[in-house]
Amino acid sequence: RKEVEQDPGPFNVPEGATVAFNCTYSNSASQSFFWYRQDCRKEPKLLMSVYSSGNEDGRFTAQLNRASQYISLLIRDSKLSDSATYLCAVNPSTSGTYKYIFGTGTRLKVLA
Amino acid sequence: DAGVIQSPRHEVTEMGQEVTLRCKPISGHDYLFWYRQTMMRGLELLIYFNNNVPIDDSGMPEDRFSAKMPNASFSTLKIQPSEPRDSAVYFCASSLGDIGSPLHFGNGTRLTVT
Repeated sequence: RKEVEQDPGPFNVPEGATVAFNCTYSNSASQSFFWYRQDCRKEPKLLMSVYSSGNEDGRFTAQLNRASQYISLLIRDSKLSDSATYLCAVNPSTSGTYKYIFGTGTRLKVLA
Repeated sequence: DAGVIQSPRHEVTEMGQEVTLRCKPISGHDYLFWYRQTMMRGLELLIYFNNNVPIDDSGMPEDRFSAKMPNASFSTLKIQPSEPRDSAVYFCASSLGDIGSPLHFGNGTRLTVT
């Protein structure tokens, strides 16, 4: 089983729709979680950190489910500009290790 | 403040040649990471440094790859000799080092080995 897994998509949604992605992780001791956005031929850029209690940033909501070992990203009122690949990153943080493992990403296409 | 700076942006080389990729992390960031991204395998961690010391190089594919960080503001990733299967986008990233600190990526180097 991969350490971090995502559905590759693509998720094709109309403008204004709500869409959600999940990301599962295998190491139950993982401490830090993030969502990144990557545009075609660009570097990943931090979208938001994921906190234990869940957090929101405008149209974006991130949640952590430790029991089932996944994080989620909800995008409300999708815009054309939200079209990108969304990567989750997990820091296993065991015994002093400090490395970020990324999922392969979920492609989102928002259609006019 | 300047972000992570990588050079070159693009590199095209012939099989067997040596390739050196360069990275300047964000000032004050104690951690530096080298990743490789391909369509097939996604973002793979190659190696990371803490305070210029390599901590985990288990992701380095083989002996042809080496990385150094001679000081806090500079790191190199070298491939010698290069092979076509090394073609990928190589990203450098840095982080403050707190548990909850995210990575900040450079623009990447797109490497093509023919």
